[in-house]
Amino acid sequence: DAGVIQSPRHEVTEMGQEVTLRCKPISGHNSLFWYRQTMMRGLELLIYFNNNVPIDDSGMPEDRFSAKMPNASFSTLKIQPSEPRDSAVYFCASSHPGSPHYEQYFGPGTRLTVT
Amino acid sequence: GENVEQHPSTLSVQEGDSAVIKCTYSDSASNYFPWYKQELGKGPQLIIDIRSNVGEKKDQRIAVTLNKTAKHFSLHITETQPEDSAVYFCAARLGGSNQAGTALIFGKGTTLSVSS
Repeated sequence: DAGVIQSPRHEVTEMGQEVTLRCKPISGHNSLFWYRQTMMRGLELLIYFNNNVPIDDSGMPEDRFSAKMPNASFSTLKIQPSEPRDSAVYFCASSHPGSPHYEQYFGPGTRLTVT
Repeated sequence: GENVEQHPSTLSVQEGDSAVIKCTYSDSASNYFPWYKQELGKGPQLIIDIRSNVGEKKDQRIAVTLNKTAKHFSLHITETQPEDSAVYFCAARLGGSNQAGTALIFGKGTTLSVSS
């Protein structure tokens, strides 16, 4: 099992540029979560999907952030335009509907730096 | 909104000592409480969890206790080892649903340092 796959692992971009983060959940998992981690705010849930449908996007900080899940094996988080305060580590996690423990499995994260 | 408070933010212990991390939560309907360990440069990894119908759960050197009345839960690590050094997060699953895809609210994390 490859686990949750995220790309790129590191992204450095200039303010104003568009950034796209990618996630491939574990095969068979039907829930996908995007988190942002910073020293100041810790781990924050941005949005999550069930069966490719966005369920709760109340954590998305601004309209500059958008997320899609076109199919069960792929999701993107886009920031347009990016700002220095978006610098953080972005994690994707997935979970299985049959899991008795509601376990979420995290990917390795994408470290985003906006200069 | 719902909240999870975690203490302490940093914890330093000697190898072989015990470590205890405490969390409180605000959503009385929460029914699932996982603990995650995050090593440097990696994503959080589930190490143990407890559900609201259980008061205590143990897995080798780690244990978790839950007091639903007080809305407290704690992580206990015994016989700590240097490889236990990491950031530990508690979380609470928002209640009111049996779906697996319901949000977790995370505490701010505890940086545990175990010195040999």
